[in-house]
Amino acid sequence: QSALTQPASVSGSPGQSITISCTGTSSDVGGYNYVSWYQQHPGKAPKLMIYEVSNRPSGVSNRFSGSKSGNTASLTISGLQAEDEADYYCSSYTSSSTSVVFGGGTKLTVL
Amino acid sequence: EVQLVQSGAEVKKPGESLKISCKGSGYSFTSYWIGWVRQMPGKGLEWMGIIYPGDSDTRYSPSFQGQVTISADKSISTAYLQWSSLKASDTAMYYCARPPARPYDAFDIWGQGTMVTVSS
Repeated sequence: QSALTQPASVSGSPGQSITISCTGTSSDVGGYNYVSWYQQHPGKAPKLMIYEVSNRPSGVSNRFSGSKSGNTASLTISGLQAEDEADYYCSSYTSSSTSVVFGGGTKLTVL
Repeated sequence: EVQLVQSGAEVKKPGESLKISCKGSGYSFTSYWIGWVRQMPGKGLEWMGIIYPGDSDTRYSPSFQGQVTISADKSISTAYLQWSSLKASDTAMYYCARPPARPYDAFDIWGQGTMVTVSS
């Protein structure tokens, strides 16, 4: 099945806000509220940042927020900090194969 | 503390078999699904499949169906990912991870990863 579409890279300065998009179809992102976002630092396991479109796990900073409109989900990071520099992946349940599909990943650079 | 601890790195030759493991602790192992995620070198995450150790109900991504086998031994709280004949393209980091409830939920607990290198 096709991966969800994310921009390859985004960048921002400390203190700014950035948004990463994740585009799918009505069979995945658009059809279900099972969109998640993960942060992965080099050499580390992924960390869950957002689940079910807009919910934050305990311990995740409220600078991270998620939303969805149609077939596109978004992760917004406000008040960028140096430690936010990482790769970010979205994922969604997909009914086309009754499984989960990830996005290709977005590298966030904090300038 | 809820933890998933994976087996160590492996170096294998093409055509060999392999079984890597993921041991759960700090929770009721039979009550939660455990999934596997592949990450090839320099690439993104791929959902491979998931198992419910309580009854061994297993689901696979179409991309991995028939290529790997996911199993679990609830007596020792351990899930497995196995190959019968490795290929060079199986070289990757493999993570086990646990969703909080349903099989297609987000993974909130992750293992540390097992690096598998397949090379002649």
